[in-house]
Amino acid sequence: ELKVEQNPLFLSMQEGKNYTIYCNYSTTSDRLYWYRQDPGKSLESLFVLLSNGAVKQEGRLMASLDTKARLSTLHITAAVHDLSATYFCAADFGGGADGLTFGKGTHLIIQP
Amino acid sequence: NAGVTQTPKFQVLKTGQSMTLQCAQDMNHEYMSWYRQDPGMGLRLIHYSVGAGITDQGEVPNGYNVSRSTTEDFPLRLLSAAPSQTSVYFCASSYLFPHYEQYFGPGTRLTVT
Repeated sequence: ELKVEQNPLFLSMQEGKNYTIYCNYSTTSDRLYWYRQDPGKSLESLFVLLSNGAVKQEGRLMASLDTKARLSTLHITAAVHDLSATYFCAADFGGGADGLTFGKGTHLIIQP
Repeated sequence: NAGVTQTPKFQVLKTGQSMTLQCAQDMNHEYMSWYRQDPGMGLRLIHYSVGAGITDQGEVPNGYNVSRSTTEDFPLRLLSAAPSQTSVYFCASSYLFPHYEQYFGPGTRLTVT
């Protein structure tokens, strides 16, 4: 079964703190994606991770991929309120043409 | 570029009614797909297409039809709406190569009563 599991599903944290969201997937995946969704909005692409050991950073967010462990992480450094959103990871199991399999999302609230 | 556009933004249907959700993209993407998003469920793939005239089923295709007569358009048809189809529907598109980063439309919020 093709599964993508995120944890935690809900996270409340304070500004200035660091935290990591974990994304495990069930079988070999060619690519791993991270998306952000604000309430009532569409999905915004954050990162596309293409190979083992890939690391990408944008501002306070850094994503990495370990294909051997079937694990991707999204690390938040010195969180700010504007990063409050729901974050989804998605895996590409079928070479891409079969669409993406999404995790259930991590609802992140960052409090002042 | 307008990117991926969807109409309508909101729709209320009665059980048994039919309707078509429209999706269009102006990026010349070969690949287009439809997802539904339900609370706590992430997004699930309904149907997808790798080019004009080619469609295939995703994870949750029952109750939905699609067609792809042009590269730009990929409408989703609900044949006989049911309350279980109450959801937010997202259309997405991408190139087939070099990778399948998908660009999502703004979504259609559908309620079936």
